[in-house]
Amino acid sequence: QQQVKQSPQSLIVQKGGISIINCAYENTAFDYFPWYQQFPGKGPALLIAIRPDVSEKKEGRFTISFNKSAKQFSLHIMDSQPGDSATYFCAASWSGRRALTFGSGTRLQVQP
Amino acid sequence: GAVVSQHPSRVICKSGTSVKIECRSLDFQATTMFWYRQFPKQSLMLMATSNEGSKATYEQGVEKDKFLINHASLTLSTLTVTSAHPEDSSFYICSARDGGARTDTQYFGPGTRLTVL
Repeated sequence: QQQVKQSPQSLIVQKGGISIINCAYENTAFDYFPWYQQFPGKGPALLIAIRPDVSEKKEGRFTISFNKSAKQFSLHIMDSQPGDSATYFCAASWSGRRALTFGSGTRLQVQP
Repeated sequence: GAVVSQHPSRVICKSGTSVKIECRSLDFQATTMFWYRQFPKQSLMLMATSNEGSKATYEQGVEKDKFLINHASLTLSTLTVTSAHPEDSSFYICSARDGGARTDTQYFGPGTRLTVL
């Protein structure tokens, strides 16, 4: 019940295109859903996060869409750039256990 | 933004020795820190939750006597890998929550690459 399932495992997008990564969860107690970006050999960096009381949050080129009834959330990267090439992780946590449960990760490659 | 540092960034040690990794929150007080482990091309797996002034809470399957965690101050947590073996070689990453802010944001350190020969 603590799992967060992430797809796809890898993604290739052309420069300027939209990258979409999806996550699904089972634990309805989860109330915080962040997305992290990780470059090789580096720690994860927070991109954007959402709570279940809103269905969408946008920050620059990054948008989270959240579907509470389906227990799914997704990351959209608009106008994808080669510099966005990295591994992206979704995660979730809840007030009773603030440690993050991570998805399996998506390796994004943006081709010039 | 909040900064978390880790030291060392890389360490190579012989099998059987102990290695200490430090995690510091540089510009905020972290009442809770977390230690994760990441194998190549895999996700982050939580090892333990460290609360300032109390014993760490370890995840199932993580040996507390092998991975010693100390959170002696609001800005420092340490992970000591005791009697390290080659299978302990991994990327260890800490994160910290800002205890003074009403946020669930976790800030991650840059990670420590441990190689046990």
